[in-house]
Amino acid sequence: GQNIDQPTEMTATEGAIVQINCTYQTSGFNGLFWYQQHAGEAPTFLSYNVLDGLEEKGRFSSFLSRSKGYSYLLLKELQMKDSASYLCAVRALAPYTGTASKLTFGTGTRLQVTL
Amino acid sequence: DSGVTQTPKHLITATGQRVTLRCSPRSGDLSVYWYQQSLDQGLQFLIQYYNGEERAKGNILERFSAQQFPDLHSELNLSSLELGDSALYFCASSPGTGFEKLFFGSGTQLSVL
Repeated sequence: GQNIDQPTEMTATEGAIVQINCTYQTSGFNGLFWYQQHAGEAPTFLSYNVLDGLEEKGRFSSFLSRSKGYSYLLLKELQMKDSASYLCAVRALAPYTGTASKLTFGTGTRLQVTL
Repeated sequence: DSGVTQTPKHLITATGQRVTLRCSPRSGDLSVYWYQQSLDQGLQFLIQYYNGEERAKGNILERFSAQQFPDLHSELNLSSLELGDSALYFCASSPGTGFEKLFFGSGTQLSVL
């Protein structure tokens, strides 16, 4: 099975930098996604990592270490609109077929940005 | 706007009843995924269809079923509803089969009373 852990809640100040961690255990790992979800709305794609290292996209960056089963999402220059839940999701391959079989989401980290 | 359309937005029904949730994927997307989101469990994968065929199955209950039609829209049928089925049901779509970047609809909030 798969196990994904991320902190339940975090608080940070407008203009600051925040790092949201995600650890996972899975067989057949085939990529890690970060999604943003504002309360009552649909999740929206933020980033994707399949190889080790840092992917940067504007104010958001995501890092992956496959050997450690670890990822983080880094948000810089925080804005009030960044207050949302951030979902870590792990894609796994099915055994034998090698085809992607599922995308499992963590329970999410609720980030509150304050003045 | 993700381009994925879900109807209805809200549904209130009673235990034991049956409901149908509908999803139209983004233009050109062949895969449709159904997820259930409850407060304590996060997003739970239910089932995936690709071009009309069931492709992957998650923790979908036997009381639940889904299908994808030739025009690629999908329906999720929930029967013998229980209080615990109250949740936000999301549909998502993608061009291929591999759980690549998903585009989510705005969801159907189901309340079972």
